Amino acid sequence: SQQGEEDPQALSIQEGENATMNCSYKTSINNLQWYRQNSGRGLVHLILIRSNEREKHSGRLRVTLDTSKKSSSLLITASRAADTASYFCATDAGGGTSYGKLTFGQGTILTVHP
Amino acid sequence: EAQVTQNPRYLITVTGKKLTVTCSQNMNHEYMSWYRQDPGLGLRQIYYSMNVEVTDKGDVPEGYKVSRKEKRNFPLILESPSPNQTSLYFCASSFQGRSNQPQHFGDGTRLSIL
Repeated sequence: SQQGEEDPQALSIQEGENATMNCSYKTSINNLQWYRQNSGRGLVHLILIRSNEREKHSGRLRVTLDTSKKSSSLLITASRAADTASYFCATDAGGGTSYGKLTFGQGTILTVHP
Repeated sequence: EAQVTQNPRYLITVTGKKLTVTCSQNMNHEYMSWYRQDPGLGLRQIYYSMNVEVTDKGDVPEGYKVSRKEKRNFPLILESPSPNQTSLYFCASSFQGRSNQPQHFGDGTRLSIL
């Protein structure tokens, strides 16, 4: 079953605008990660947020986590054409288990127009 | 350069002809994993390995085999491929497989089974 599900499925914006993607999950987690996938390439890790954290920043990326709503958002500020990619959230199984599998959502396809 | 290397990148083959997709990482990671990516289904884990000689099933292991005889290599074996195994495959590794550690992905293997 899908743990993380992203919303929207696709997002199209102009360069310089902000892009916000959301991830919802079903069961409690220990950690949530965001990945980017450029067309034809593997996934690249962007940022990790722990269940006891509410917000985290990395460069132009801002991730928030609301464990009460079981949701996370990824904000990319001042987007660039090079940010065009698919973005995935990945969650663990929670419950004190921190090893093993991550479950990936289906991703948000972001297109940034120059 | 730290990387996960998969071979081949592309393969077209026929039903029933055994094939192996190799995966090698140079980061001395204990954890390695195979995923398949299909439209509308996202990434699904096939098998994973927590260390040498330790492997376990993921969400969709049917029709696949793996082995982990050396720390750096984690080949994926399709003994009798079928058309429903046509997919994009990714190998990934992480330091110890903890969910607070990023996973590093190869660039993928696009497999077509006719």
